Amino acid sequence: QVQLVESGGGVVQPGGSLRLSCAASGFSFSDFGMHWVRQAPGKGLDWVAFIRSDETNTYYADSVWGRFTISRDNFKSTLYLQMSSLRVDDTAVYYCAKDDCSSTSCFLDHWGQGTLVTVSS
Amino acid sequence: DIQMTQSPSSLSASVGDRVTITCRASPNMINFLNWYQKKPGKAPKVLISAATRLQPGVPSRFSASASGTDFTLTISSLQPEDFATYFCQQSFNTPYSFGQGTKLEIK
Repeated sequence: QVQLVESGGGVVQPGGSLRLSCAASGFSFSDFGMHWVRQAPGKGLDWVAFIRSDETNTYYADSVWGRFTISRDNFKSTLYLQMSSLRVDDTAVYYCAKDDCSSTSCFLDHWGQGTLVTVSS
Repeated sequence: DIQMTQSPSSLSASVGDRVTITCRASPNMINFLNWYQKKPGKAPKVLISAATRLQPGVPSRFSASASGTDFTLTISSLQPEDFATYFCQQSFNTPYSFGQGTKLEIK
C-alpha cells in the first residue's frame, strides 16, 4: 500500500533553514507529481508547492516563493522541501501528498502523517 | 489565482442529521474541485474528486453536486465518525487553493 513518511521537522529560529523529507513507498514514485501542504495551529489547509513527476516544473504558493524549494530524488523515492528565511508564520504541520491527475480531475489521493515545524526565537 | 469561499465556517448538528457545506470558486474552474475530511492529528482524506466523484471506500452517505461556480458536499445522515473539519480544494490551476474549512461539531 502507499506510504508517505515525512521527517526533518523541528524547532528553528526566525531566519533559519530546515529541510523536510518525505519517503515514499508502495507505488511507482517517479510516475507521479507530489505536493507539500501545511496546516498552521488552529488554521486551515494551505497548499505550499508541487513538483511534476519528471522534475521539469515546480510551482509555489506566493507566501513561500523565493524562500522554499521543492525537489525530488526519483532513485531514492524521496521528496524534499528546503525551507529558508523561515518566519514565525511558517509554523505548521507539513504534509507531503501524492498527486493523482488525469484529463478530468486532479486531487491529492494519499497523504503522510505530517511533520511539525516550529519557528520561534 | 482562484479564490475559494467556503461556508459555513462551523456547523453544529446531531447524529442522523443531514448537513450541507458549500464552496464557491472564482473564477470558474470547471469541475476540478475536491473535498477532504480532516480530523485532529490525522492526515487529510479525500472524499470527493472531480466535483462529484465519490472516492473508493467512502460511505455513500457522502455526496456532492456542482452548478457553475457553486459546489456542495452533503452528508445525508451524520454518523459519530463524521464530526471533523471539511475542506474544498480547486485543482484547476496552481496554487491549488483550499477553502477556509467547515468544522462540523456535535450539537
